[in-house]
Amino acid sequence: SSELTQDPAVSVALGQTVRITCQGDSLRNYYAAWYQQKPGQAPVLVLYGKNVRPSGIPGRFSGSSSGNTASLTITGAQAEDEADYYCNSRDRSDNPFGGGTRLTVL
Amino acid sequence: QITLRESGPTVVKPTQTLTLTCDFSGFSLSSRGVAVGWIRQPPGEALEWLAIIFWDDDRRYSPSLKGRLTITKDASKDQVVLTMTNMDPVDTGTYYCVHTVVSTTEGYLFDHWGRGALVTVSS
Repeated sequence: SSELTQDPAVSVALGQTVRITCQGDSLRNYYAAWYQQKPGQAPVLVLYGKNVRPSGIPGRFSGSSSGNTASLTITGAQAEDEADYYCNSRDRSDNPFGGGTRLTVL
Repeated sequence: QITLRESGPTVVKPTQTLTLTCDFSGFSLSSRGVAVGWIRQPPGEALEWLAIIFWDDDRRYSPSLKGRLTITKDASKDQVVLTMTNMDPVDTGTYYCVHTVVSTTEGYLFDHWGRGALVTVSS
């Protein structure tokens, strides 16, 4: 079955830079999209394509991709960035999400 | 302004069929490149993509759930309906309706989400 793998949890000190990664064979053919979900809320699209931020998403969010790995980088993490982050990508007839990474801002 | 709202039963019994309705506004499901999908999330777990219906009435389903899912649209009513047969307690979770932009290079982009509908499967 289609699969995207993420680290379950990552932490970052306030104001520092953190990278969240997503691995999967489908990423060799399709870009990843990244979603942020805060407790009790619906997810929000924060990044997609080569490195595209939807309107309203702060510039500290950026993305990159190499081989079978996509990355979401937050440069200068803020307290409000504490959330679960999910990657997502097409994979032939499927459209799987990663298992999610819980980001803690210390 | 795009909005989506899910509605349906909050509790279903095992083996029953779940029917969820998504009422949307702010876009037309007849416009090329537009789709509406469903995504679910069991309590405390990850997101899972379920199904999508495109502007031209094409449909795609999660391979792991294909056979249990049916997605339909009524563009004149701005409505999408998802049915899931043979419900089981493991199907308990929040079901989201999502506005989807379809791109050949960037796949499916779920750029607007409903608030979600919590469905519990219990006898």
